[in-house]
Amino acid sequence: AQKVTQAQTEISVVEKEDVTLDCVYETRDTTYYLFWYKQPPSGELVFLIRRNSFDEQNEISGRYSWNFQKSTSSFNFTITASQVVDSAVYFCALNEGYQLIWGAGTKLIIKP
Amino acid sequence: DTGVSQNPRHKITKRGQNVTFRCDPISEHNRLYWYRQTLGQGPEFLTYFQNEAQLEKSRLLSDRFSAERPKGSFSTLEIQRTEQGDSAMYLCASSVIEGRSYNEQFFGPGTRLTVL
Repeated sequence: AQKVTQAQTEISVVEKEDVTLDCVYETRDTTYYLFWYKQPPSGELVFLIRRNSFDEQNEISGRYSWNFQKSTSSFNFTITASQVVDSAVYFCALNEGYQLIWGAGTKLIIKP
Repeated sequence: DTGVSQNPRHKITKRGQNVTFRCDPISEHNRLYWYRQTLGQGPEFLTYFQNEAQLEKSRLLSDRFSAERPKGSFSTLEIQRTEQGDSAMYLCASSVIEGRSYNEQFFGPGTRLTVL
């Protein structure tokens, strides 16, 4: 069965520091999709990125970047020059059929 | 507002009562999902609809839970004879089908259920 592991339960950094959130997954599927979502204190899950298993190119969106490595089954997320508004719980997810399998989340605290 | 909406946002009920939640997906989305999330955990899949058909249901889902999506539009999730362990945030999400790809799901704000 599919599994997603986010080993970092909580990370605390000072504003403007770079921070990387780790995500390791397990799947027997050859075609699959990975996702990152953000859940701010308000509670609503916000979609950040989708990546399919055939596209290993790293992606950058403003201060956010993602590093997908099939060889290590990892899909890590880096925030550059963090800001207080980045404080949230971040979830990594993997599709299993039509449903998503979620990691336990990493709580990111950005201190001013 | 064209996002996913859920009602009510909060529900407090006594153990043994029945509750019903509603989800209105993004209008052109034909897939609709229900999840449950407890504190400190990721969302847990409950069930999934494609149009009006309920295609998948979690094995963890008690028979006290039932979901419908009449006419493939809004969906309702009903919990009968609520138990304290049902206290959680119930999340609804929707997505659109495009070929064979698996598209991202967009989530509503959730309904927080407290069973006393």
